[in-house]
Amino acid sequence: GAGVSQSPRYKVAKRGQDVALRCDPISGHVSLFWYQQALGQGPEFLTYFQNEAQLDKSGLPSDRFFAERPEGSVSTLKIQRTQQEDSAVYLCASSLPGVYEQYFGPGTRLTVT
Amino acid sequence: TQLLEQSPQFLSIQEGENLTVYCNSSSVFSSLQWYRQEPGEGPVLLVTVVTGGEVKKLKRLTFQFGDARKDSSLHITAAQPGDTGLYLCAGAGGWGKLQFGAGTQVVVTP
Repeated sequence: GAGVSQSPRYKVAKRGQDVALRCDPISGHVSLFWYQQALGQGPEFLTYFQNEAQLDKSGLPSDRFFAERPEGSVSTLKIQRTQQEDSAVYLCASSLPGVYEQYFGPGTRLTVT
Repeated sequence: TQLLEQSPQFLSIQEGENLTVYCNSSSVFSSLQWYRQEPGEGPVLLVTVVTGGEVKKLKRLTFQFGDARKDSSLHITAAQPGDTGLYLCAGAGGWGKLQFGAGTQVVVTP
């Protein structure tokens, strides 16, 4: 079946602009995670959803970052007033409940100029 | 901040050689996973190890989980150019969220 998809794949934003990144998880996967991967680093956890409930947002770096999953499927990560330090690859992953194996999308590479 | 330390950071070898990469932590994890990531793609799960002392083999790849469940290693036998990639270890925490190491970049040249 289809894997996790993310859009756009690449986004260039001027500093101060707002951006919205989309994630379509694997059908039936109730768990959804967002990670941020800086150049040369491993992914770092941002936030976690179980269905539509955001159960953990401890990794969001500032209040400029906001994530939602209103119907328990598609999720959007929004970054307001982007800064240069927000430049990174944003990865989305989904999994079945109670299962540690996560399936990752290809990521969105955000460049803030 | 990466709580899992991976070594080496970079490894370049010739096709046919063997290699080992390491993942160490001061924390105990209920499970540890190894992923491989290629440029422009998300990480792809290779294996999950759960039991201290566990050894898993996946074709030419051998994964070991330390007895204390704090460290792990990945050994590749007779490496091939297709093994090139960024190898990431990750420990599972609450809710299943993953804490990743910084990765080991492996380059296998023909």
